[in-house]
Formats: sequence, C-alpha cells, structure tokens
Amino acid sequence: AQKVTQAQTEISVVEKEDVTLDCVYETRDTTYYLFWYKQPPSGELVFLIRRNSFDEQNEISGRYSWNFQKSTSSFNFTITASQVVDSAVYFCALISLLTGGGNKLTFGTGTQLKVEL
Amino acid sequence: SQTIHQWPATLVQPVGSPLSLECTVEGTSNPNLYWYRQAAGRGLQLLFYSVGIGQISSEVPQNLSASRPQDRQFILSSKKLLLSDSGFYLCAWVPSLSRQDTQYFGPGTRLTVL
Repeated sequence: AQKVTQAQTEISVVEKEDVTLDCVYETRDTTYYLFWYKQPPSGELVFLIRRNSFDEQNEISGRYSWNFQKSTSSFNFTITASQVVDSAVYFCALISLLTGGGNKLTFGTGTQLKVEL
Repeated sequence: SQTIHQWPATLVQPVGSPLSLECTVEGTSNPNLYWYRQAAGRGLQLLFYSVGIGQISSEVPQNLSASRPQDRQFILSSKKLLLSDSGFYLCAWVPSLSRQDTQYFGPGTRLTVL
C-alpha cells in the first residue's frame, strides 16, 4: 500500500528565514511519481511540482527547491527567504494506479506553514 | 487553456436534505475526473473517480453518489445528508489516461451540514 508521511504538523518561521518541509513515502512500485501541492487559505490546491522516480536531480524554481532521495524515500521541499504569502498548508502526494483506469493521489496529512513578519 | 469550475462555492444544508455539487472542466476532452473530500484536520480522501461518461468508480462506501452525464461534467450527490458529510469537496481532473499526469484541482465547495 502507498503511504506518505509528513511528520511536521505545523511550522512557524519569521519572514526571510529558510524552511524545509519533510516528506517520506512508501511504495512497492519501481516507477512512481511524487508531487507537492500548496493549499492557501482560499482552499484551492495549487500544483507545485511533479517528480518521477528515475530523476533524482534536485530541482530549483525561484525560492523553491526540492530534494529527492530514493535511498531514504524522501522528497523534501525547501523555501528560501520565506515570505508571508508562503503561509499555507503544503501537501506531499504519491501517485498510484487505479484498477478502473486513471491514477490516484495518496496524500500526506499536510504541513501548516506560518510565516510571520 | 483548461479551466475547472465548481459550484456552489459554499453551502449550508440541514441534516437529511439532498445534495448536488457540480464540477465542470473546460478546454479539454475525455478527462479523468475525481471527487475528493477534505474533512476538518485536513486529510484528503478520494471519494469517486470517472474515466468516461457514465463510468463511475467508488473508492470509499458513502451515502454519497456521483454521476457523469457529460464528458466534462461531474456531479456529486446525496439523497440525505449526514452531519459527517460536512467538509471541503474538491474536484480534480487529469488530461489523459497516462499514469504520471498531474491532477489539477478546482476551487472547492465548502459544505456545512447542520
């Protein structure tokens, strides 16, 4: 069975600090895909990144970076120089196939990030 | 470009009343469509998914049902709401049957059952 663990329930930082959100996953698939989504107070889930299991290169997008390590089954997310607008709940997710077709996201429980002035 | 809509944005309903939530996708054909529920405490649970018109699969037994009367329309229904049905309902779509394709989410419907 697929499982995603986000051990950090809530993190509070002061603006301009760097922050890392942890994600640990479990899967028996040899090919799989990992995702990060952001959920601001408005509620909509915003897609941030998709990473496949064959690509272990770290990725950077502006202030965001992701560290994927298959050896430790982790896919951590770092925000550099955090801003108040980064305050949101962040979800890590793992994809699995559905028997009827299509795919299914297994989500972690999310990490609430609060960035204060 | 593709857009996903959900209606209504918020809803307050009494226990025992019926429910109908609508999700529509624009700018794509034959998408896979999904209904998720996020209860208080934030976990996201897949309720239903559909790979085509009239094709509905249920992930979790509920007093809820889903229908897909048109290619880009996905409806979540209930004949009699329970207090436990309160939550935030999200619709999502995937542009193809490819396993790795990203799910994109709608703005959600916040349902309160009193």
